[in-house]
Amino acid sequence: GAGVSQTPSNKVTEKGKYVELRCDPISGHTALYWYRQSLGQGPEFLIYFQGTGAADDSGLPNDRFFAVRPEGSVSTLKIQRTERGDSAVYLCASSPAGLTDTQYFGPGTRLTVL
Amino acid sequence: DAKTTQPTSMDCAEGRAANLPCNHSTISGNEYVYWYRQIHSQGPQYIIHGLKNNETNEMASLIITEDRKSSTLILPHATLRDTAVYYCIVRVPGSSNTGKLIFGQGTTLQVKP
Repeated sequence: GAGVSQTPSNKVTEKGKYVELRCDPISGHTALYWYRQSLGQGPEFLIYFQGTGAADDSGLPNDRFFAVRPEGSVSTLKIQRTERGDSAVYLCASSPAGLTDTQYFGPGTRLTVL
Repeated sequence: DAKTTQPTSMDCAEGRAANLPCNHSTISGNEYVYWYRQIHSQGPQYIIHGLKNNETNEMASLIITEDRKSSTLILPHATLRDTAVYYCIVRVPGSSNTGKLIFGQGTTLQVKP
């Protein structure tokens, strides 16, 4: 079946602009995670959704970052007033349910802020 | 949160077994050990996980020591396609128990012909 998809695959923007990154999880997966990966580093947790609600947003670096999942499926990560330091690969993962369930990752969106 | 320690890099000859070690000396009794890998320019891929018993699947074997303070991921017959960064992760407990994964630097495995 289809895996996790993320769009766009690449996004180039200018400092100060607003961007939206989209994640389509595997159908039926109730849990959804966003991670960020800087060059040469492992992925870093940002936010976790269980259904429509953000159950843990402790990884969001500041209030410029926000994510939604209004219908419990597709999620959008929104970044306001982008900064050069936001440049990274943004990864989305989903899992069926339960705390030990495997997370399935998408290919990521590479964000470059000029 | 339990931390993991892995070697920065390892080489392996194609066709040979690759043994990737991980130390997690502060692991709690209810924490699982997970292994993921990340091939260049792709998202991480789940390999295997375990609590205390050894585990095997079509991709790899996971050996966890009896005291659970360390583990070894074994790729029995490494191929060039196994070249990747391998992450050993211990699931984070917490009041919210979200299951988020905390990635370290991982081990870069280079499989050579």
